[in-house]
Amino acid sequence: QKEVEQNSGPLSVPEGAIASLNCTYSDRGSQSFFWYRQYSGKSPELIMFIYSNGDKEDGRFTAQLNKASQYVSLLIRDSQPSDSATYLCAVNTRSSASKIIFGSGTRLSIRP
Amino acid sequence: NAGVTQTPKFQVLKTGQSMTLQCAQDMNHNSMYWYRQDPGMGLRLIYYSASEGTTDKGEVPNGYNVSRLNKREFSLRLESAAPSQTSVYFCASSEALLEGGYTFGSGTRLTVV
Repeated sequence: QKEVEQNSGPLSVPEGAIASLNCTYSDRGSQSFFWYRQYSGKSPELIMFIYSNGDKEDGRFTAQLNKASQYVSLLIRDSQPSDSATYLCAVNTRSSASKIIFGSGTRLSIRP
Repeated sequence: NAGVTQTPKFQVLKTGQSMTLQCAQDMNHNSMYWYRQDPGMGLRLIYYSASEGTTDKGEVPNGYNVSRLNKREFSLRLESAAPSQTSVYFCASSEALLEGGYTFGSGTRLTVV
């Protein structure tokens, strides 16, 4: 079992709709959870982090964490074509406290 | 506002050649990392340095060596390049990992023929 799992996609969402990206992780002791956005040919950039159960909102982005279910998600409201990218879920696990483990990413495509 | 600077951006090597990828950060971060990214594999950790003077192996260290030259600089060396090392390499740094995640460099696209 991979430590961090994501559906590779592509996930196609119409412009203006809500895009929902999901991630599961295997280490129950995981402490911090990150979402990175990566445009094609570019480096990943951090867009959200969360470490408490519940929701965290930042503009059009909401991160949701459920530690009991070992599940973290990212919602993007009012999706724009500029949101088309690969979204990487990453976890700082108990077994690797000084580093982050990445999922393989979900490719999101926003269609006009 | 340079952040994390990686050189070179592109490189083509012949099998068996050696090279060093350079990384420098100007954010006074303690921790630095080298990842490689391959299609469908996500980002995999090669080596990291939690603080100046320390280095540790990551998930895929074979065929690589690193040097934490000082707090700013962390280099990755391929002693004898192999086609399996064709990849995009990212350097990253962090200060408060639990809350801030990484800042990535722009990447090095390496092809080994």
